[in-house]
Amino acid sequence: GAVVSQHPSWVICKSGTSVKIECRSLDFQATTMFWYRQFPKQSLMLMATSNEGSKATYEQGVEKDKFLINHASLTLSTLTVTSAHPEDSSFYICSTRSQGMNTEAFFGQGTRLTVV
Amino acid sequence: QQQVKQSPQSLIVQKGGISIINCAYENTAFDYFPWYQQFPGKGPALLIAIRPDVSEKKEGRFTISFNKSAKQFSLHIMDSQPGDSATYFCAASMRGSNYKLTFGKGTLLTVNP
Repeated sequence: GAVVSQHPSWVICKSGTSVKIECRSLDFQATTMFWYRQFPKQSLMLMATSNEGSKATYEQGVEKDKFLINHASLTLSTLTVTSAHPEDSSFYICSTRSQGMNTEAFFGQGTRLTVV
Repeated sequence: QQQVKQSPQSLIVQKGGISIINCAYENTAFDYFPWYQQFPGKGPALLIAIRPDVSEKKEGRFTISFNKSAKQFSLHIMDSQPGDSATYFCAASMRGSNYKLTFGKGTLLTVNP
């Protein structure tokens, strides 16, 4: 399967600071990327969908000004958590798929964010 | 509204036994049904997937059974091994929505040696 690299795998930051998470597709062009949030022992919650070169589409209840998504190239998408607070602590996971492939989605290894 | 309902929430199986996880969906427009395996601290990994034009798909020890009329699908893990201990998620997606996945709530599988 395709390789999706997510970085960093974990990060600790202070309240009020911003954190950027990168998601790279290493061996195919990811026209669509998805960002998920997962709380302990819970399922994945879709936060937003981004298509290369266009603005992200956010799910209901997700603050677009707090969770900034940039999908500037076919191999890189970033999620920036702005002015982070302890309640933003969570496991963030990106996923990609390409129009050139079937509907299989490939996931990054996730980023554990802890805001102190 | 939860569009994909998964059960059980947790499952304990002895080594060599069969693990069965069930999912039910509501939206008849769904046309792709994958199962994902997730280990602690890792992203989900695709295990096996099925489309509604077939009733069963088998890959090694993993089998998906699909019942279109009942809007249900299940994952069977044969000869379960301790290394299969993980959280399993069923999901569904459809064309026209960027194929975004709707996940079940997950099943924590523990396989005892």
